[in-house]
Amino acid sequence: DAGVIQSPRHEVTEMGQEVTLRCKPISGHNSLFWYRQTMMRGLELLIYFNNNVPIDDSGMPEDRFSAKMPNASFSTLKIQPSEPRDSAVYFCASRTRQGNYNEQFFGPGTRLTVL
Amino acid sequence: QQQVKQSPQSLIVQKGGISIINCAYENTAFDYFPWYQQFPGKGPALLIAIRPDVSEKKEGRFTISFNKSAKQFSLHIMDSQPGDSATYFCAASKETGANNLFFGTGTRLTVIP
Repeated sequence: DAGVIQSPRHEVTEMGQEVTLRCKPISGHNSLFWYRQTMMRGLELLIYFNNNVPIDDSGMPEDRFSAKMPNASFSTLKIQPSEPRDSAVYFCASRTRQGNYNEQFFGPGTRLTVL
Repeated sequence: QQQVKQSPQSLIVQKGGISIINCAYENTAFDYFPWYQQFPGKGPALLIAIRPDVSEKKEGRFTISFNKSAKQFSLHIMDSQPGDSATYFCAASKETGANNLFFGTGTRLTVIP
């Protein structure tokens, strides 16, 4: 079992550039979550999908952030244009409706630095 | 508004001691309370979870105590080991309907030899 896969693991970019973070959930999982982690605010839920459909995007900071899930095995989180305050670790997590369906399985995260 | 409040922010415990992390929640509709453990450079992973039909759940050295009337729950790590050094997050959710997890702000635990 490969677990949740995120890429890239590290991203350094300059203010104003577009950033795209990628996530491959665990096969068979039907819910996907994007989180942002900072020292000040901890783990914040940005958006989550059920069966590829966005359910709650109230955590998305502003219009510069967008997320898509074109199919069950792939999701992207895009920031355009990026700003220094977007620097954080971004996690993707997935969940299945079987068994302990409340358990979320997290990927290793993408550390984003915006200069 | 923080749905789940966690304390302390950091904790230093001697090896063999007891580590205690506390959380409080507001929404009485929450009925699932997990704890996640995160090592540096890794994503959080489920450690232990409790539902409000019991007041305590124990798995090895890890115990959750749950007080429904006070809307509080805590994690106790008995015989703390240096390998337990990590960041711990409490969380809460509803098991049905919109059941995304609301996380606390985390506690960085350091167990010194």
